[in-house]
Amino acid sequence: DQQVKQNSPSLSVQEGRISILNCDYTNSMFDYFLWYKKYPAEGPTFLISISSIKDKNEDGRFTVFLNKSAKHLSLHIVPSQPGDSAVYFCAASGGSQGNLIFGKGTKLSVKP
Amino acid sequence: GAGVSQSPRYKVAKRGQDVALRCDPISGHVSLFWYQQALGQGPEFLTYFQNEAQLDKSGLPSDRFFAERPEGSVSTLKIQRTQQEDSAVYLCASSVYRDATGELFFGEGSRLTVL
Repeated sequence: DQQVKQNSPSLSVQEGRISILNCDYTNSMFDYFLWYKKYPAEGPTFLISISSIKDKNEDGRFTVFLNKSAKHLSLHIVPSQPGDSAVYFCAASGGSQGNLIFGKGTKLSVKP
Repeated sequence: GAGVSQSPRYKVAKRGQDVALRCDPISGHVSLFWYQQALGQGPEFLTYFQNEAQLDKSGLPSDRFFAERPEGSVSTLKIQRTQQEDSAVYLCASSVYRDATGELFFGEGSRLTVL
């Protein structure tokens, strides 16, 4: 059973607009959440994270929001740029999980 | 090196052949993780080490899969008697933390194709 779910396999956005990628989780023991970005033929690279004691973390154009009651987090990218086109993975850890649990990813395409 | 290094980058094996995939983590990193990523899927956890101790191998899909990190640095993932369903990208990651409570740094992966 999937503990981290990314229900949108793909998202297309116009350059300059906001991209919103969503992620849901089922394990209430998760206390640390990360977003990774992956280009073809490369390994995932860390983008931004958030601890469960916060509800928002911002880093430049990237902001992650956490809603613990809804077990939902989202990644906002604004403004979106063509170089942001990649697959974005949501991941979580905590509780008895010593490792990171990943979602299936959302492929973002930013059109010029 | 500056990052996590994996070799080989690409491996083609005949069904039934044994393969070994190597991971060289970032120097000084305590934790090392192996993940399997099938086409169109997210990385699936296989196993992780804290130094030389294998603390969790619950994700290994069968007893044909074996991982080791004998000196707490380089790790090898071995797959015996490969099957077609083993075809995937195998990702290695390391962390300065004792588990996945911080950022994991990933290598570029080893793409295994079993014919």
